[in-house]
Amino acid sequence: TQLLEQSPQFLSIQEGENLTVYCNSSSVFSSLQWYRQEPGEGPVLLVTVVTGGEVKKLKRLTFQFGDARKDSSLHITAAQPGDTGLYLCVGAGNNRKLIWGLGTSLAVNP
Amino acid sequence: ETGVTQTPRHLVMGMTNKKSLKCEQHLGHNAMYWYKQSAKKPLELMFVYNFKEQTENNSVPSRFSPECPNSSHLFLHLHTLQPEDSALYLCASSQAELSNTEAFFGQGTRLTVV
Repeated sequence: TQLLEQSPQFLSIQEGENLTVYCNSSSVFSSLQWYRQEPGEGPVLLVTVVTGGEVKKLKRLTFQFGDARKDSSLHITAAQPGDTGLYLCVGAGNNRKLIWGLGTSLAVNP
Repeated sequence: ETGVTQTPRHLVMGMTNKKSLKCEQHLGHNAMYWYKQSAKKPLELMFVYNFKEQTENNSVPSRFSPECPNSSHLFLHLHTLQPEDSALYLCASSQAELSNTEAFFGQGTRLTVV
């Protein structure tokens, strides 16, 4: 059974701090996506990574796909209250089946 | 505005009730999905429809019955639910039924079974 583990599960920081959250598996994924879900809303796609070692930047967010395509990280620089939400990673595994992580719940305090 | 609208936003129902959840998308997408989001569990894919045809049913109990009358609308009919079915039910759509395609989610229906 393919699993995606996200860490930390919860994170509470002050505005302006930097942070990194992780998405790890023992399985190889053909692609991996990060979504952000704000309270009372559905998830919204942030990025899709498909190549091992790939790095993508979205303003203050930097996403990296591991060389072996088993893990990924999301780094946020100078976090803002608007970054608050649940960050979900989802990998495309065997037979194109999507494997979702439990998410990292981030709170950025003003 | 995500383009995917779910109604109702909140629903409380008894175990003997029958209710339906509605999802509507105006994005011109061909694939639509029902997900269940529970605390301390990953998102669970329930059903997939592609061009109005059901392509996936992930061992969902028969008390959940999906219906896709056209490519823009998706329903989830509920009957004789159990308290453990209480969760956030999310509808999503995508241009194609591909694993790395962007999925657009609705705001969800928060269901409480009493």
